[in-house]
Amino acid sequence: DAGVIQSPRHEVTEMGQEVTLRCKPISGHNSLFWYRQTMMRGLELLIYFNNNVPIDDSGMPEDRFSAKMPNASFSTLKIQPSEPRDSAVYFCASSLFAPPPDGEKLFFGSGTQLSVL
Amino acid sequence: ILNVEQSPQSLHVQEGDSTNFTCSFPSSNFYALHWYRWETAKSPEALFVMTLNGDEKKKGRISATLNTKEGYSYLYIKGSQPEDSATYLCASNGGAAGNKLTFGGGTRVLVKP
Repeated sequence: DAGVIQSPRHEVTEMGQEVTLRCKPISGHNSLFWYRQTMMRGLELLIYFNNNVPIDDSGMPEDRFSAKMPNASFSTLKIQPSEPRDSAVYFCASSLFAPPPDGEKLFFGSGTQLSVL
Repeated sequence: ILNVEQSPQSLHVQEGDSTNFTCSFPSSNFYALHWYRWETAKSPEALFVMTLNGDEKKKGRISATLNTKEGYSYLYIKGSQPEDSATYLCASNGGAAGNKLTFGGGTRVLVKP
């Protein structure tokens, strides 16, 4: 299996521009998570989906952030307009929505390093 | 919002020594406790997912224990090697499968040759 695939790996943009991050979860996984890593706050959950349905978006910082999961194999996280304080590493992770040991374990993508100038 | 805490934040270990560190989490409404290993410039990788009080998991030289009644878990590294250098994250979700997973701040381990 290719694992969780994120793109792009790096994104440099100017303040005010729209940024779209993409994620392809592991085939068969039905939960998808977007995390943001910063020095100040560590790894924080932005939003997660179960069976393509957003369950909890309370971690999304502002209305500038939005996430979609149109089907089981694709999700996007969009920032519009972007600001310098959005600079961080954004991770996508997927898991099987089932009790352990088969379920629950998160598989992370390689992350997108976002720099907003 | 779950409060998951890890201590210490960082520790240095001499190669060959064993070490352990702690994760504390709310014991009420507990469902599962996760441990992840995060090497620099990589993404976190799952080590263990534990659910039962008294559970103990082992993977090579790394093991973990779980006490759900008092809300803590220990991660042990036996005979540390330089390749064990990483940040170790724990995370907990409460209530049920598929619930929000809250991560602790991590323990950064540096194994010195």
